[in-house]
Amino acid sequence: DAGVIQSPRHEVTEMGQEVTLRCKPISGHDYLFWYRQTMMRGLELLIYFNNNVPIDDSGMPEDRFSAKMPNASFSTLKIQPSEPRDSAVYFCASSSPGDRRLLAKNIQYFGAGTRLSVL
Amino acid sequence: GEDVEQSLFLSVREGDSSVINCTYTDSSSTYLYWYKQEPGAGLQLLTYIFSNMDMKQDQRLTVLLNKKDKHLSLRIADTQTGDSAIYFCASVRRDSSYKLIFGSGTRLLVRP
Repeated sequence: DAGVIQSPRHEVTEMGQEVTLRCKPISGHDYLFWYRQTMMRGLELLIYFNNNVPIDDSGMPEDRFSAKMPNASFSTLKIQPSEPRDSAVYFCASSSPGDRRLLAKNIQYFGAGTRLSVL
Repeated sequence: GEDVEQSLFLSVREGDSSVINCTYTDSSSTYLYWYKQEPGAGLQLLTYIFSNMDMKQDQRLTVLLNKKDKHLSLRIADTQTGDSAIYFCASVRRDSSYKLIFGSGTRLLVRP
């Protein structure tokens, strides 16, 4: 498997523009996570999906952020309008926790990230 | 609330052992993880330990877990320059949320 694939790797945009980040999880994984990494705040969980359904979006900073997962192999994170403080590295991760009765381990596999710069 | 804390920086000489420490607050954590992030890359799982274990060894890596003190450590034997990276400690709760709680990361610098 190619792992979690994110695109683009780098995005430079101007304040006020719409930004769409894309993620393809590992085939067969039923959980997908979006994270944001900054020097100031470290790694923050924004939202996660289970079987394409958003489960917890409490980490989404504002209404300007939205995420969708139209099918099991694709997710997007959209920022509209973008602001300079949104500049960060955005990671997508996927996992397949397995049998919950066994308290199975939850190994998350990360993509290489999208480095977003909003000018 | 849940919290995972790590020291920010560690510098060691090549060939020495490195020990990266982590403390966590959630006693219901079931698994604890160590992830490695190299420059410009995503996080990569290094190793993990189940909460009913107190030690796990995997080649050059040794993980020690002290549940009483909620302390986790990662020891890297014979540290190499390729080990220079940021190391994240993370925990997951016993509930069904599958949310990982990450520490702030420890930057390991290996000097030749």
